[in-house]
Amino acid sequence: AQSVTQLDSQVPVFEEAPVELRCNYSSSVSVYLFWYVQYPNQGLQLLLKYLSGSTLVKSINGFEAEFNKSQTSFHLRKPSVHISDTAEYFCAVKDGGFKTIFGAGTRLFVKA
Amino acid sequence: DGGITQSPKYLFRKEGQNVTLSCEQNLNHDAMYWYRQDPGQGLRLIYYSQIVNDFQKGDIAEGYSVSREKKESFPLTVTSAQKNPTAFYLCASGTPTNQPQHFGDGTRLSIL
Repeated sequence: AQSVTQLDSQVPVFEEAPVELRCNYSSSVSVYLFWYVQYPNQGLQLLLKYLSGSTLVKSINGFEAEFNKSQTSFHLRKPSVHISDTAEYFCAVKDGGFKTIFGAGTRLFVKA
Repeated sequence: DGGITQSPKYLFRKEGQNVTLSCEQNLNHDAMYWYRQDPGQGLRLIYYSQIVNDFQKGDIAEGYSVSREKKESFPLTVTSAQKNPTAFYLCASGTPTNQPQHFGDGTRLSIL
C-alpha cells in the first residue's frame, strides 16, 4: 500500500530565510505527486504537481519541488519565505486510480 | 468558475441529532470524497464515490452516511452514532487519472 511521510510536523523559520519541507513516499508503481497548501479554515489548494518529464516543478509564488525517484522523495523548497507563506502544507501521492494518499501535513510558521 | 461548494461554513449539532453537510461540484468529475480533519491529524477519508449510485467506506466511516443520487452532489450525514463529530469536514472531487483532487472550503462542525 502507498504511504506518504512528511518528516516534520512543524517548521518555524524567519522571514526571508530559505525553507525545505520534506516528503517521502512508498510505492511500487509509477506515481503522481502533489503539494497542497491550506490556510486556516480553508480547503486545500494545489500548489504544484509532478506528473512526468522534468523532475523539478515550480509554482507561481516561488515554491519548487524536485521528484527524486531513487530516494522516493518530493521535497518542497522556497529560497526566501514571506509571512504570508504561513500555512499547513500537505504532500500527496496518486497512482492514477481513484484514491489520493495524503501525508500528515507540515505546519510552516514564518516569523518576522 | 468551476469548483466545489460546501455548505454551511459552520454547523452546530445538538446531542442525539443527525446533521447533513452539503457538497456540490460543477467540474464534471466522476469521483467525490469526504475527509475529516482534526488538529494535527491530517486528512482521514470517510467515504468516497466513484460513480453515481455507488459509494465505498473509507477509513473512518462509522457514524457517517452518504448518498450519491446525482453526479454533482455528495451529501454527508453525521449521525448521532458518531460520538465525537467536532471536526473540519472537507469535500473533494477528482478523476481516475493523474490529475489532482479539487477541494471545497470545508464545513466546521461543533457540538452544542
